[in-house]
Amino acid sequence: GEDVEQSLFLSVREGDSSVINCTYTDSSSTYLYWYKQEPGAGLQLLTYIFSNMDMKQDQRLTVLLNKKDKHLSLRIADTQTGDSAIYFCAEIPNQAGTALIFGKGTTLSVSS
Amino acid sequence: EAQVTQNPRYLITVTGKKLTVTCSQNMNHEYMSWYRQDPGLGLRQIYYSMNVEVTDKGDVPEGYKVSRKEKRNFPLILESPSPNQTSLYFCASSFTGTGDRGYTFGSGTRLTVV
Repeated sequence: GEDVEQSLFLSVREGDSSVINCTYTDSSSTYLYWYKQEPGAGLQLLTYIFSNMDMKQDQRLTVLLNKKDKHLSLRIADTQTGDSAIYFCAEIPNQAGTALIFGKGTTLSVSS
Repeated sequence: EAQVTQNPRYLITVTGKKLTVTCSQNMNHEYMSWYRQDPGLGLRQIYYSMNVEVTDKGDVPEGYKVSRKEKRNFPLILESPSPNQTSLYFCASSFTGTGDRGYTFGSGTRLTVV
């Protein structure tokens, strides 16, 4: 079956913007999520967007949703070293019941 | 503090020795779920529960059991662990299974089966 696709790695300098991209599987997914996992820690819900929205902004985070292309992105403004982590895109496809389907994660490395 | 609590955080066991990983949430969530995280495979759902006494299989249920006798607890049981169950396990909960307000995850249990 189709997978939620993300690029595996992204490296940026402190102060730059980071953009993490994701392609999801089901155009009828109601909610789409971004989770953050720091080394040795669990998954922290960063933000989520409802499918009838194109954009959601929350402080330094901006989520863009393109339903036609099934494309989701997370932009982190003024990236800090503390933002270094693995970022997971996730969806709940209608046909999959209630399982959160995750991408394999994008490792963000921020250098000072 | 609203949270999902898993225990233990780390566990090393031997093949065939039954074990239970506990999960408890204090948010009165109806929906609870177990995931395992493996390198190169991401997170995959093992079992989920829509409410008390209602459980169902996820994508990778083989070798696992669950129970939901109370709303707050959702233990994961490995009756006869094998080395291929070495993994990082996460419990998650949500008000409902449909995703509104998101899922809250526990801190994880790193299991090694030798």
